[in-house]
Amino acid sequence: AQSVTQLDSHVSVSEGTPVLLRCNYSSSYSPSLFWYVQHPNKGLQLLLKYTSAATLVKGINGFEAEFKKSETSFHLTKPSAHMSDAAEYFCVVSHRSNDYKLSFGAGTTVTVRA
Amino acid sequence: NAGVTQTPKFQVLKTGQSMTLQCAQDMNHEYMSWYRQDPGMGLRLIHYSVGAGITDQGEVPNGYNVSRSTTEDFPLRLLSAAPSQTSVYFCASRAVHQETQYFGPGTRLLVL
Repeated sequence: AQSVTQLDSHVSVSEGTPVLLRCNYSSSYSPSLFWYVQHPNKGLQLLLKYTSAATLVKGINGFEAEFKKSETSFHLTKPSAHMSDAAEYFCVVSHRSNDYKLSFGAGTTVTVRA
Repeated sequence: NAGVTQTPKFQVLKTGQSMTLQCAQDMNHEYMSWYRQDPGMGLRLIHYSVGAGITDQGEVPNGYNVSRSTTEDFPLRLLSAAPSQTSVYFCASRAVHQETQYFGPGTRLLVL
């Protein structure tokens, strides 16, 4: 079985300050983990993915995430938020034993204040 | 490449009406799937297909039918729409031995 918990439903930051989105996962096996972003009324865009290589994963638009097996976490960070980062973010887990079916977290909505 | 395309973008139905949501991909991906997105629940898998002629149920299949006659197309049918099916529907595809899924732009459905 696999599942994802996003610990914050909403995060508000000021432009230029760091962003932290927290994600914990549960998986019977070593999982693949993803972060997707969805801007208002848009589809889902892949930010980054972890697939058992380097534990610190760099993605697009300055985002990165660190896989910590001991903590079963995959938190997403960005050093300096931009207004264009306002969106909903989804943490997602999958594994080949489950035919790579995706299990989504409930999502975190990010608001960026000017 | 157009990637994954979905039509229509927005649809309003009355309870009991039927309709088909279209999904097509031009990446020759074997695996295609349908998700619904509801507030506070992320995306949930409705149905999926690992290739032409093969479909299977996901987490929330009730009220939906699918078929896969070609590699490119994977339509989702609502036989008798209900207000509980008001949602945003996303189609996705991936190559069979790859993990990354590519999503379409979504169809927003309102059932009155």
